[in-house]
Amino acid sequence: DVKVTQSSRYLVKRTGEKVFLECVQDMDHENMFWYRQDPGLGLRLIYFSYDVKMKEKGDIPEGYSVSREKKERFSLILESASTNQTSMYLCASAGRDRPYGYTFGSGTRLTVV
Amino acid sequence: KQEVTQIPAALSVPEGENLVLNCSFTDSAIYNLQWFRQDPGKGLTSLLLIQSSQREQTSGRLNASLDKSSGRSTLYIAASQPGDSATYLCAVSNDYKLSFGAGTTVTVRA
Repeated sequence: DVKVTQSSRYLVKRTGEKVFLECVQDMDHENMFWYRQDPGLGLRLIYFSYDVKMKEKGDIPEGYSVSREKKERFSLILESASTNQTSMYLCASAGRDRPYGYTFGSGTRLTVV
Repeated sequence: KQEVTQIPAALSVPEGENLVLNCSFTDSAIYNLQWFRQDPGKGLTSLLLIQSSQREQTSGRLNASLDKSSGRSTLYIAASQPGDSATYLCAVSNDYKLSFGAGTTVTVRA
């Protein structure tokens, strides 16, 4: 069964900490994405990557960075966590060719205190 | 910028009733439209994907239609069950990025 795996379901971090969220896919997909989901705001794209070592900013990249050293792994980094980054983080992957069907991970609920 | 709207925001029906969920989008130049299901506190599960050249897709009790020219899609769920209670999200892609609607939260009463 193909899947996208996020390393943690729940995380609690302190303000100012550097936080790493990891995502691994086993579908050999070129495209990988990080979204955050907040009540009333829906899903918003933070960053995406279309190839190893390649990345592009999404709609809300401020306060985040990403790393993609291997095709199957895409990491989201909160350089200095703040309380307004408390959210559900969702990773997804999609192939290079149309129709670009997305597969999502199970999400990481991050709380910054 | 693509805008995706889902109506209604919430829906409560008795078990056995058919469900009709609506999705509209502003830019008809889409590659595909995908319906997802999300249970509380969980990730997204893909239900159906309709490519831009298709009019509908079916999977079991689920049927999704696409009218690209009018910017609309409808998800039908036949003979609803309590296990269908969840939030249903519509998403469209103009390239390899998805734009999401806010979702319709469905409650099926036993």
